[in-house]
Amino acid sequence: DIQMTQSPSTLSASVGDRVTITCRASQNVDTWLAWYQQKPGKAPTLLIYKASSLESGVPSRFSGSGSGTEFTLTISSLQPADFATYYCQQYRSSGTFGQGTKVEIK
Amino acid sequence: EMQLVESGGGVVQPGRSLRLSCAASGFTFDDYAMHWVRQPPGKGLEWVSLISGDGGSTYYADSVKGRFTISRDNSKNSLYLQMNSLRTEDTALYYCAKDWRVGGSYLFDYWGLGTLVTVSS
Repeated sequence: DIQMTQSPSTLSASVGDRVTITCRASQNVDTWLAWYQQKPGKAPTLLIYKASSLESGVPSRFSGSGSGTEFTLTISSLQPADFATYYCQQYRSSGTFGQGTKVEIK
Repeated sequence: EMQLVESGGGVVQPGRSLRLSCAASGFTFDDYAMHWVRQPPGKGLEWVSLISGDGGSTYYADSVKGRFTISRDNSKNSLYLQMNSLRTEDTALYYCAKDWRVGGSYLFDYWGLGTLVTVSS
């Protein structure tokens, strides 16, 4: 099974900050990597697929990069609506998620 | 507007059974594979099961294989999860999630709000 590891687990930031979350895969997943956002009490929503493709309707301040085993999610200027938990997920072989990164207000 | 509405959760004793349902609307149901994904309280996400658009192919996580059965009724735009021999570690919020392909890609492009299953004596 492919294991996904995110860092950090928690991130404290202010509105307007540039934020980067890292995701590492235990094996090569090419670019079969997605990012999801989950707010408290809500279902996850798809932000990015194929490592860097923005899902329709997602603000352009979100971007993804990477391939193979190392990936990043970047929020260029953090907005109040962005305080949430973010999960990476590989879908090269079945589907496994990282443990999540909580972005909280500093 | 796309909608997925789960139901059937509740409190059940270890070893008992429960059947979850997911009603879909707003898209052509049989054009897409469907999944169940679960999230234990306060924890991360775990994929549980996949069924292809025509219902002919099913896949399961090792943690539920042999105990859970996924099915769908395309005439009713509905997805199901029959859960037998439930364990305390099956306690979670169970989400119904739409795949973005008919055969199943494990990319989840739309999720329901979930239904809570609590396994406790």
